[in-house]
Amino acid sequence: EVQLVESGGGLVQPGGSLRLSCAASGFTFTSYNFNWVRQAPGKGLQWVSHITSSTGAIYYADSVKGRFTISRDTAKNSLYLQMNSLRDEDTAVYYCARASRGTGDAFDIWGQGTMVTVSS
Amino acid sequence: DIQLTQSPSFLSASVGDRVTITCRASQGINNYLAWYQQKPEKAPRLLIYSASTLQSGVPSRFSGSGSGTEFTLTISSLQPEDFATYSCQHLHSYPITFGQGTRLDIK
Repeated sequence: EVQLVESGGGLVQPGGSLRLSCAASGFTFTSYNFNWVRQAPGKGLQWVSHITSSTGAIYYADSVKGRFTISRDTAKNSLYLQMNSLRDEDTAVYYCARASRGTGDAFDIWGQGTMVTVSS
Repeated sequence: DIQLTQSPSFLSASVGDRVTITCRASQGINNYLAWYQQKPEKAPRLLIYSASTLQSGVPSRFSGSGSGTEFTLTISSLQPEDFATYSCQHLHSYPITFGQGTRLDIK
């Protein structure tokens, strides 16, 4: 079964750090690009970061640039998001999502999400 | 950054109705647009990509159209399972952005 499973969410104080993981299975990890997308409670979807499989190119939303780092481990078929200097406004469900050339780079597979709460 | 504006933000309709949701881009994005459906506490589901191509497994009552700056998602005959929130997304350039979402409720 093709799936993405996130983990690593939780409660963290402002200024703290958290590392999210996304384990991929059921497909060839190195053939796809990946993204992190978040959704604050009651709000819409917000793209956070992207990593291109073939070139390693990385992009970030301005709101997280300099604080978040996306990475991947091809040996473990896993995607990561290191989040530092966390702020209240980073509170959200974080999804990892696969981008497929076959779907015009749209996000065809999503994980179930992991909740990150930033609060003192 | 490219902004996407959806209209309406809220929509009430009945089973069997035909509904249309519009997504307008702040600049031309060719056909680099996708539509997603999201139900409460669930991850988004890809419905349409490249503005008008139906994702595998998505019912044919869903359709998309448009190019440039104006796009539409149409559901030809609403089914009970279609009541959800719908969001558009552009893939033209980084940063990728989403529309604010359209919540479709049962009338």
